[in-house]
Amino acid sequence: DTGVSQDPRHKITKRGQNVTFRCDPISEHNRLYWYRQTLGQGPEFLTYFQNEAQLEKSRLLSDRFSAERPKGSFSTLEIQRTEQGDSAMYLCASSSGQGLQPQHFGDGTRLSIL
Amino acid sequence: AQTVTQSQPEMSVQEAETVTLSCTYDTSENNYYLFWYKQPPSRQMILVIRQEAYKQQNATENRFSVNFQKAAKSFSLKISDSQLGDTAMYFCAYSGGGADGLTFGKGTHLIIQP
Repeated sequence: DTGVSQDPRHKITKRGQNVTFRCDPISEHNRLYWYRQTLGQGPEFLTYFQNEAQLEKSRLLSDRFSAERPKGSFSTLEIQRTEQGDSAMYLCASSSGQGLQPQHFGDGTRLSIL
Repeated sequence: AQTVTQSQPEMSVQEAETVTLSCTYDTSENNYYLFWYKQPPSRQMILVIRQEAYKQQNATENRFSVNFQKAAKSFSLKISDSQLGDTAMYFCAYSGGGADGLTFGKGTHLIIQP
């Protein structure tokens, strides 16, 4: 169990650019979640996958945000035409089921928009 | 929509003391799951303790225990014999009966003083 891995750890980009983050979940976990955490706040749920199916995406912040999990393993979160307000920590988590099954979090990707 | 409220932005206690962090939530569901997560400075979020709503017995994990009051929709965390390593942000989180993501409170910054 190597834990949830996120890449990159930090991303600095200019406003208007597109960015993509990657998350590798714990290998036997079929559920994968994306969250956004801004300074002084708790994480905010964005979307989640069960295997390759995206079962909830209405909470994505705008149509500039999209996520994929093409083979049910790693996932990517893309933000197009980044804005200043997108600066935040983006967290990925995975779990082996729902209910009491805990979500295991990665270290996050910190996005800074210049 | 479910909401989670943590009314203590910051708390500070001396090492070896007992401290209680408060959490209240709002939901119309009958079965759900509650969690406390710990986020040390610049480190990943880790699960501290979890509770299933229809189990009346309060969960305990070593020095960590909860006081779950379902009617009052309260879920406080007690840390006994606090240690310097307990210094962190603590987040209370809610999960409904489905498989959606967690709803987090804003967190309590706990500082353990030597």
